[in-house]
Amino acid sequence: EAQVTQNPRYLITVTGKKLTVTCSQNMNHEYMSWYRQDPGLGLRQIYYSMNVEVTDKGDVPEGYKVSRKEKRNFPLILESPSPNQTSLYFCASSPKQGYQPQHFGDGTRLSIL
Amino acid sequence: SQELEQSPQSLIVQEGKNLTINCTSSKTLYGLYWYKQKYGEGLIFLMMLQKGGEEKSHEKITAKLDEKKQQSSLHITASQPSHAGIYLCGAYTNDYKLSFGAGTTVTVRA
Repeated sequence: EAQVTQNPRYLITVTGKKLTVTCSQNMNHEYMSWYRQDPGLGLRQIYYSMNVEVTDKGDVPEGYKVSRKEKRNFPLILESPSPNQTSLYFCASSPKQGYQPQHFGDGTRLSIL
Repeated sequence: SQELEQSPQSLIVQEGKNLTINCTSSKTLYGLYWYKQKYGEGLIFLMMLQKGGEEKSHEKITAKLDEKKQQSSLHITASQPSHAGIYLCGAYTNDYKLSFGAGTTVTVRA
């Protein structure tokens, strides 16, 4: 089954403790992206990747890092999480960049205390 | 950057009634995407509109794109409880960035 898989689905952690949210897609998609969703603010793009080893900042990249060493994986790293990063995070992918619908994972709910 | 405004922000509809959601862009639309989200869950792709005047339907959901008005509408006919959720419109601001509206929450009352 074609899918985008995120882990963990839920995480409660404390300020400053490094964490990684994994994202994997099995559709051989070139383009992958991370979003966060907050009430009243909608979905905002954090980082995106057009292919292996090619990443760039979205609208709200501060406090986040990403890497794209393999085509299927696009982890989101919070080196020193803070409470304002409490949010619902989504990973998405599409076959290529450019005017194509993106397939979304089920989301990761992060709570930073 | 491109901004997408959705209206209404939320609506409550009696089961069996029709409803319409609008999405208006501040810039020229190069394609418009509709997604549905159940609370706290992932986004499900509904349909994509690429040309002015284009209209697509999926089951009881119809979407249209009016390029001149830079607007798209999503219409649900004879709503059912399964139509409840958050509907989001998205549009590319360039060839790699998909921006979204804030969403419309739909509640269907039995």
